[in-house]
Formats: sequence, structure tokens, C-alpha cells
Amino acid sequence: KQEVTQIPAALSVPEGENLVLNCSFTDSAIYNLQWFRQDPGKGLTSLLLIQSSQREQTSGRLNASLDKSSGRSTLYIAASQPGDSATYLCAFGETSGSRLTFGEGTQLTVNP
Amino acid sequence: GAVVSQHPSRVICKSGTSVKIECRSLDFQATTMFWYRQFPKQSLMLMATSNEGSKATYEQGVEKDKFLINHASLTLSTLTVTSAHPEDSSFYICSARGQAETQYFGPGTRLLVL
Repeated sequence: KQEVTQIPAALSVPEGENLVLNCSFTDSAIYNLQWFRQDPGKGLTSLLLIQSSQREQTSGRLNASLDKSSGRSTLYIAASQPGDSATYLCAFGETSGSRLTFGEGTQLTVNP
Repeated sequence: GAVVSQHPSRVICKSGTSVKIECRSLDFQATTMFWYRQFPKQSLMLMATSNEGSKATYEQGVEKDKFLINHASLTLSTLTVTSAHPEDSSFYICSARGQAETQYFGPGTRLLVL
């Protein structure tokens, strides 16, 4: 059974800092990986989707990487802003369009 | 991107009553919808997968008679929490998938059972 771990559980940084969120998984037989953002009491916003054949995806200040051999994915946020404060979740799909297995998230606080 | 709505956004009910939550895909046809539950400070846990026109597939430990799922059309799935109890209080989130692989998530429904 796939297990997903996110480290750290919480992170507080000053505005402008570059940061990396980590996600590890136990089974390399994944189909794709997604990073989501969740604001308190809200649903999920998809940030980046990486297929298993890809190594990274970029969107604005966000860059997500995938290394299946080591069972790791990272989300890099450049020049962080207070508006980036949220919980970030990674999730893996086992097959095309299948259920997602979520990590427990990293709660990020960017201080002005 | 595609839009998924949920209704209601928040509901408070008495113990023993039933609550229905709707999940709609507004601008695409969702062949598959997923229902998740999220307790405070925890991640999303999949409860069930529903395909239009067929019975839902429930995850281990989720009571199908307590959490009734109906996916009667390509744009609507409903989750009914029957005889709700305080331990059912949680944040319920649905997601919908069309022809593409991406799942689009609804804004969630906060259920509080008194």
C-alpha cells in the first residue's frame, strides 16, 4: 500500500525566502503526482501535475520535481509571499484517473 | 480550469438526522467522482469512488449503508450521511474527473453534528 510522507509538517519563513517542501512515497509504481494548495476551511487548488515520465513542472514561482527512483518529490517556491501561506498537499495517482493518495500536508506560514 | 461546486458549504444538524451533500461539475461531464473526508489537521482520506450509472466503490472501513452515494448523472453526485452522529462531523470534499486525468476538487462541505 502506498504511503506518502510530507516533511516538514509545518514551516514558517520570512517573506522573500526561497523554500522547498518535501514529499516521499514508498511505492515507485506511480502514474502521476500532484501538488495542491489548501487554504483554511477551503477545498483544494491544483498547483502542478507531473506525469511519471516527467521529472519536473513549472508554473510561475513554483517548481515541482519528481524522482521515482528515490521515491521523492519536491515543491520549490521562489521569493515567497504572505499570500503563499496555506497547507500544501502532495498526492499520487496509481493509474490514469484513479484515486489519489494524499500526504498529510505541510502548513506554510510566510511572515511579512 | 474546470469548476466543481458543492452544496451546502456548511451544515449543522442534530444527531440522528440525515444530511445530503451535492457535488456538481459545472462545465464538464464527470464520469467519475470521488468523495473524501478530512478531519482537522489531517489529510484527505478517500471514502468512495462513484461512476455514473453504477454503484459506488467504498474504501475499507467506510460503511456503505451509512454513507449513501448516488451518481445519477454525469454532472451530479450526492453523498447522504444517514443517522448522523457527532463523530461524523468533518469536512467532506468531492472531486470530479472527466475525460482527462485531472481531478477537480469542490470547495468542501463542513458538517457539524450536535
